[in-house]
Amino acid sequence: GAGVSQSPSNKVTEKGKDVELRCDPISGHTALYWYRQSLGQGLEFLIYFQGNSAPDKSGLPSDRFSAERTGGSVSTLTIQRTQQEDSAVYLCASSFGGQGAYEQYFGPGTRLTVT
Amino acid sequence: DQQVKQNSPSLSVQEGRISILNCDYTNSMFDYFLWYKKYPAEGPTFLISISSIKDKNEDGRFTVFLNKSAKHLSLHIVPSQPGDSAVYFCAASRSGGSNYKLTFGKGTLLTVNP
Repeated sequence: GAGVSQSPSNKVTEKGKDVELRCDPISGHTALYWYRQSLGQGLEFLIYFQGNSAPDKSGLPSDRFSAERTGGSVSTLTIQRTQQEDSAVYLCASSFGGQGAYEQYFGPGTRLTVT
Repeated sequence: DQQVKQNSPSLSVQEGRISILNCDYTNSMFDYFLWYKKYPAEGPTFLISISSIKDKNEDGRFTVFLNKSAKHLSLHIVPSQPGDSAVYFCAASRSGGSNYKLTFGKGTLLTVNP
């Protein structure tokens, strides 16, 4: 079946511009996660959605970052007024029910470059 | 403050030999550990996991060992194959309400030479 998809695969933007990154989770997965991987670093948790519950936004690095999930499916991560330190690969993952961290399935990521 | 550490950025082994990837953690609240494998331009894929109630978990050529007293785990791949060449991430989580949060190490690039 189809896995997690993300778009665009690459995004180059100028400092100060806003960007939107999209994630389509696996059909039937109720939990959705966003992570960020900066150069030479591990994956950094950003935000978690589970069903209709309030999202866990504790990993968002600043108020320039926001995310929403519409209809319990597609999610958009928005970065406003991008900075060079925002350059990273942004990974989305989904899972059943939020139970069992081992069941997270990752998309290929969006490579964001802020110039 | 890095709570999950993979101190070897890279490892090179010969095909057929054993690959040993190491991971250390500092947070004693972690009780579930995972290994993910990542090929270039792809997302990480789950490989194997272990709960803190065990000290070993085996799946085919992959075995994970956990030493809780040392806060150390390792992934053994035997025998190593060229297709195993990838970046391997160690991750940890804690039980309870935030068990979905994974804390990742920086990864180790494994190269298996034919």
